[in-house]
Amino acid sequence: EDQVTQSPEALRLQEGESSSLNCSYTVSGLRGLFWYRQDPGKGPEFLFTLYSAGEEKEKERLKATLTKKESFLHITAPKPEDSATYLCAVTYDLNTDKLIFGTGTRLQVFP
Amino acid sequence: GAGVSQSPRYKVAKRGQDVALRCDPISGHVSLFWYQQALGQGPEFLTYFQNEAQLDKSGLPSDRFFAERPEGSVSTLKIQRTQQEDSAVYLCASSLFGLLKSYEQYFGPGTRLTVT
Repeated sequence: EDQVTQSPEALRLQEGESSSLNCSYTVSGLRGLFWYRQDPGKGPEFLFTLYSAGEEKEKERLKATLTKKESFLHITAPKPEDSATYLCAVTYDLNTDKLIFGTGTRLQVFP
Repeated sequence: GAGVSQSPRYKVAKRGQDVALRCDPISGHVSLFWYQQALGQGPEFLTYFQNEAQLDKSGLPSDRFFAERPEGSVSTLKIQRTQQEDSAVYLCASSLFGLLKSYEQYFGPGTRLTVT
């Protein structure tokens, strides 16, 4: 069954302690991989789109990379305001633009 | 410009009642999506419109769920005879249409539905 798996489920970091979140996917014919940030009580906020293996995108302390089987979201020197749930999603079906989401990684950054 | 807006933000319904949830997409966005998010889970796809055409309704959990977008802008998700398992956050998103390339979807704040 096609699916998206994120790890770890939860991550606690000290402020300034860099780390990576993983998103692995088993869909065939990937059209796009998306990273979102979700704060409690709010809708997901778009971060990045990646389309092909080897692609990288950066925004402030975040950098997303893509291989043929997984994506990483690298967080460099995180701050407490980076605390949120990070969601990964893919599209792969030519007949629909629906997103298939993973269950997310809950990140907590402590000062 | 304005983002995706949803109303109401919170809805409490008694089991068996009908509810209607509204979504106003970003102006000019052709595609509109509905997702359901349970606590601690990622959003799950319900249905999708391109303009007024409902192109994919494969995620609607039962025939109690119905969505429409009659003029290709505002959309309404209707749930008939609500059940406790319908309790969730209902998210709306909009995007440019995809064709061969996927465009990012922008989400609204969601409607939290509680069925008692």
